[in-house]
Amino acid sequence: SAVISQKPSRDICQRGTSLTIQCQVDSQVTMMFWYRQQPGQSLTLIATANQGSEATYESGFVIDKFPISRPNLTFSTLTVSNMSPEDSSIYLCSADRGINYGYTFGSGTRLTVV
Amino acid sequence: GDSVTQMEGPVTLSEEAFLTINCTYTATGYPSLFWYVQYPGEGLQLLLKATKADDKGSNKGFEATYRKETTSFHLEKGSVQVSDSAVYFCALPSSRSTSGTYKYIFGTGTRLKVLA
Repeated sequence: SAVISQKPSRDICQRGTSLTIQCQVDSQVTMMFWYRQQPGQSLTLIATANQGSEATYESGFVIDKFPISRPNLTFSTLTVSNMSPEDSSIYLCSADRGINYGYTFGSGTRLTVV
Repeated sequence: GDSVTQMEGPVTLSEEAFLTINCTYTATGYPSLFWYVQYPGEGLQLLLKATKADDKGSNKGFEATYRKETTSFHLEKGSVQVSDSAVYFCALPSSRSTSGTYKYIFGTGTRLKVLA
């Protein structure tokens, strides 16, 4: 099964700045996903990243705020742009191992915006 | 639409107590069902899964049986340990996301705290 390395594990950022989160998978995967987990809540899908094409965003999320790159089948980045305190969350990347196998998740990035 | 409903936490148990975390679902057809665990400060890990009705998933002493009659997938463990303290999420693959791939629906999570 795939292993995903995600970094940074946590960061404290000033409002108005941007943070880029990286995920490296130890095997090639077609689809990668980015989730947000706000404090005490469940996971919300931000977007799906397919190698070689633009990411597909879920309702309520836009590319200008959360630009995503997927340069190859083992790597993806999510940038949280022009941050505000409301962006304070855990951000998780994941890879789909197939409908009967579930997702593999990175360890998460705990972002605090001050 | 498809949905997952989990019992609210937190659940606080003494070590070696019996654990049940309820999960019920509504879905079109009979999707695979999953339990994920999130230990403090970490991402989610797949705990167990069941791919069809009456299947029992098991891992690390945890079990869950896919029951289509009651549309449930309750998580159980006979004797919990302090190290089981975590948040547990029930999940199922649902309608396709805007990208065309399956979008997983996660329950709200149930926090378990086990006391020594």
